[in-house]
Amino acid sequence: EAGVVQSPRYKIIEKKQPVAFWCNPISGHNTLYWYRQNLGQGPELLIRYENEEAVDDSQLPKDRFSAERLKGVDSTLKIQPAELGDSAVYLCASSSRGNNSPLHFGNGTRLTVT
Amino acid sequence: AQSVTQLDSQVPVFEEAPVELRCNYSSSVSVYLFWYVQYPNQGLQLLLKYLSGSTLVESINGFEAEFNKSQTSFHLRKPSVHISDTAEYFCAVSELWGQNFVFGPGTRLSVLP
Repeated sequence: EAGVVQSPRYKIIEKKQPVAFWCNPISGHNTLYWYRQNLGQGPELLIRYENEEAVDDSQLPKDRFSAERLKGVDSTLKIQPAELGDSAVYLCASSSRGNNSPLHFGNGTRLTVT
Repeated sequence: AQSVTQLDSQVPVFEEAPVELRCNYSSSVSVYLFWYVQYPNQGLQLLLKYLSGSTLVESINGFEAEFNKSQTSFHLRKPSVHISDTAEYFCAVSELWGQNFVFGPGTRLSVLP
């Protein structure tokens, strides 16, 4: 099966500019996650979707971050405007329902804000 | 809310030596436990998981982890490491399957020739 696909792999922008990340989860996976991974740290949840509904966005900085998952498949994460502190790797993961379903991660988008 | 501690940020070890990567968690309810591995410039991959049953779980590449409820630990071990095991290892906990995965800060394992 194809894995979780993310694009772009790398993005360099100046502060105050907008940026968007795209994620295509594994086919049939109902749950989609966006994580942020700062250098030398573990991933931290930004938002979790069950199908097209955002069921946990408590850690998403809503003043500048937004996300959507139209039709419950692909998802986009947007930052506008970007700040220097947003430099990190943004990881998308998906999972299906059931106790035997682990998280499957994409390779991430490395964002550098200058 | 649950949390995960990985006390060792870096672990250097010589090839063919044994290794243990420590993980402790805190939670007020029963948990599921996971180890993920991250190779350079890649996403995280599931290494092994504890859901229920036997407290000792194994991966296909020789790693094993033991769930110790009294010590709230889930340490990862391998009796003989290879150069290819060099990577970042993350312990994670989830109180409910498919929800609220919390990751530790990671341990960088460096296997030296």
